Formats: sequence, C-alpha cells, structure tokens
Amino acid sequence: RKEVEQDPGPFNVPEGATVAFNCTYSNSASQSFFWYRQDCRKEPKLLMSVYSSGNEDGRFTAQLNRASQYISLLIRDSKLSDSATYLCVVNALNYGGSQGNLIFGKGTKLSVKP
Amino acid sequence: EAGVTQFPSHSVIEKGQTVTLRCDPISGHDNLYWYRRVMGKEIKFLLHFVKESKQDESGMPNNRFLAERTGGTYSTLKVQPAELEDSGVYFCASRTDRRPGELFFGEGSRLTVL
Repeated sequence: RKEVEQDPGPFNVPEGATVAFNCTYSNSASQSFFWYRQDCRKEPKLLMSVYSSGNEDGRFTAQLNRASQYISLLIRDSKLSDSATYLCVVNALNYGGSQGNLIFGKGTKLSVKP
Repeated sequence: EAGVTQFPSHSVIEKGQTVTLRCDPISGHDNLYWYRRVMGKEIKFLLHFVKESKQDESGMPNNRFLAERTGGTYSTLKVQPAELEDSGVYFCASRTDRRPGELFFGEGSRLTVL
C-alpha cells in the first residue's frame, strides 16, 4: 500500500463548480498534513496546511479524519486559475523522517473549463 | 526576495557520465532539501541539510548520488555515473524554522539520461 494515495483524476469541471479531492495515508502516527499545488511544469507550492479541526482559506476547505486516515480538499466556485495538480502531502517526522521530509501523493489533476 | 534557484534547468547526458546540479536556497534558510520526481511517479524525498550538516539522507537511492552543502549556503547534487533510471526532475527546496511545513521549491532541474 502506498504511503499517500489520492484520487487518480483528472477532474474536468466547469467554472463555478465545487470539486472535492480525497487522500488517504497509511501511517497512523502521521501528525502533519498539507495540500500543495503544482502548475504544469512548475514547482510545487504550499496551498494550505490541514488542521485536526478542519480549516478554511477563502474558497478552499481542508478536512482531516484521523480515525479513517483520510484528508480532503474542497474547492468552491472553481476558477480557471485553479487548474493545476493538487498534491496531498504528509510529514514523515513521526516515523523516522526529519522535519520537512515530506511524503507526496501522485497528485490529482484539475482542469477548470469556461 | 529571490526564491530558490536551481541550475541547470535541463541537462541531457549519456549513461555513465557525471552531472552536477546546483541549488541556491532562499537567503537565511538553514534547511535545504532535495527531492526527485521520476516519470509517472510521485515526488520523493532524497535528503535534508541543516546548514552544512546532513540531517536526513534516508531517501538517497544509492552511492552514485552525492550531495554537499559546504559553508551552509548553496548545495550541489552529483550523480556519478548516471544511469537511465536517474532521469527525472530534481527539486530543491528550502524553509525557515518558523514554518516547518512550508517548503519553498525551486523550479527543478530536469535530467535526461540517454
């Protein structure tokens, strides 16, 4: 089983749609979770951290379910500029890795159409 | 403020040759990381420097890879001798101590081994 698994995608949605990405992680000791965004042929950039109580940043909402080892990202009112690959990321700190040793999912590609 | 810069952006070499990739982190960032993405796979951690010291090198694939960060500023990653499976995009990232989950990535060095 992969350490971080995501929806394979791609997700093709119209502008204004709400889209949800899901992710599961294998190590129950994991403590830190993130969503990164990567535009085509560019570097990954932090979108948001994921907190236990869930957190929101504008149109983006992240949720964590520790019991199910499940992370989600919800994007409301999709914009053309949201088109990118969304990477689910877990910090390996709690199982042998150093701080910043991040475990990435393969990513889910989102394409928002006019 | 300049971001993380990497050089070269693209390198094409033949199997058995040597390549050296360079990374200049954001000024003042003590933590520097190397990651790699091979075709069709997820981004994988290679190693982590804190200043000039290797904090975590658990992701280095084998002894053909040598990373250095003399003086705790820029870093180099040398592959010698290169093999076909080394092809991919090598990302460098840096961060401050204040926000451990936020890595700032460079645009990557694309390595093609023929």
